[in-house]
Amino acid sequence: DVVMTQTPPSLSVAIGQSVSISCKSSQSLVHSDGKTYLNWLLQNPGQSPKRLIYQVSNLGSGVPDRFSGTGSEKDFTLKISRVEAEDLGVYHCVQATHVPYTFGAGTKLELK
Amino acid sequence: EVQLVESGGGLVQPGRSLKLSCVASGFTFSNYGMNWIRQAPGKGLEWVAYISSGSSYIYYAETVKGRFTISRDNAKNTLYLQMTSLRSEDTALYYCARGSYRDWGQGVMVTVSS
Repeated sequence: DVVMTQTPPSLSVAIGQSVSISCKSSQSLVHSDGKTYLNWLLQNPGQSPKRLIYQVSNLGSGVPDRFSGTGSEKDFTLKISRVEAEDLGVYHCVQATHVPYTFGAGTKLELK
Repeated sequence: EVQLVESGGGLVQPGRSLKLSCVASGFTFSNYGMNWIRQAPGKGLEWVAYISSGSSYIYYAETVKGRFTISRDNAKNTLYLQMTSLRSEDTALYYCARGSYRDWGQGVMVTVSS
């Protein structure tokens, strides 16, 4: 199985600060179709997850452009510019290239 | 507006069965693969199963293979998860999600306990 290693496990930030979250996979996430199926999700407290980024760098519908995703092969990063209160929660990376699909352990973003 | 509404959860004894449903609306259900994902209390997300739009491709996590069955009825816009031989470690909030995690339901709680 592909292991998704997310770091850091938690982050304490001030509103307006910029932060980055890393997600590294144990195998390349490039699919045989040439696409890389790496998504980023945000789970606000008590809520269902919401997709922020798909295929490494594509912004989900209605997602503010202060979120951005970069990376390739096995190394991926989510950047949040100018954190807002609504951004607090747990961030998950998930790969959908190799079955079984696997999630990172999550990064909890908290207010400083 | 896309909606995914799960139902069928509850308290069940170990070894028993339960069937979850996820009713979809606001999009053409028959065009999308669907997933079940679960989250044990206080834990992270775990992918459970996937079914392609026409049910040709079905995949399971090893932890549920042979015990759970994913299926869909495109005429009813409904996704299912038949769970048998339930174990305490299956206790979780179960979500259905469209495609590549594009949309999620609110989740349904399954508690396996005697």
